[in-house]
Amino acid sequence: QKEVEQNSGPLSVPEGAIASLNCTYSDRGSQSFFWYRQYSGKSPELIMFIYSNGDKEDGRFTAQLNKASQYVSLLIRDSQPSDSATYLCASNSGGYQKVTFGIGTKLQVIP
Amino acid sequence: GAVVSQHPSWVICKSGTSVKIECRSLDFQATTMFWYRQFPKQSLMLMATSNEGSKATYEQGVEKDKFLINHASLTLSTLTVTSAHPEDSSFYICSARETSGSFPSFGPGTRLTVL
Repeated sequence: QKEVEQNSGPLSVPEGAIASLNCTYSDRGSQSFFWYRQYSGKSPELIMFIYSNGDKEDGRFTAQLNKASQYVSLLIRDSQPSDSATYLCASNSGGYQKVTFGIGTKLQVIP
Repeated sequence: GAVVSQHPSWVICKSGTSVKIECRSLDFQATTMFWYRQFPKQSLMLMATSNEGSKATYEQGVEKDKFLINHASLTLSTLTVTSAHPEDSSFYICSARETSGSFPSFGPGTRLTVL
């Protein structure tokens, strides 16, 4: 069983729309959750992290966590073509010792 | 801050040869470094975790005798792929963190192609 699951996509949204990326995890011991953006051929870059239930906003990005449902999401408002990338959801069980990644969702923002 | 570099950024080698990849923390001392591998259209898979001055901890299914990890200093970890084969062709990414409470920073990755 995969520990972090994501739909691989692609998810296509028009420019200016809200992109909604979803992720579920299986390990109830997971404490922190991360969203990374990865451009093709590049290494991941951290966009958001969240560890408390609820929403966390940073600019155009909002991360949402529901521990009861073991569900994490990332909303990107006013999507731009430059947001086109693969978004990796990740979790860890504390101490940032081992971060487990999902397969990533490919987002395409259509101009 | 928290910049991690890797060298080389890409390498092509013949089957059977060994390849060494370096991971350096440029502006901090990394107590822990992580090595990941990513095959095309797949997720990052943790290969091993190394702490400075001690043996690396390998994930299940990763051959420690094939993927040699050395973390001899607080700013440098190396991954040596021994007797590389075409199936080892992948994108190898390291990450490093300064303390147990900090987020790890990723290096730019090394693209390995084994002919």
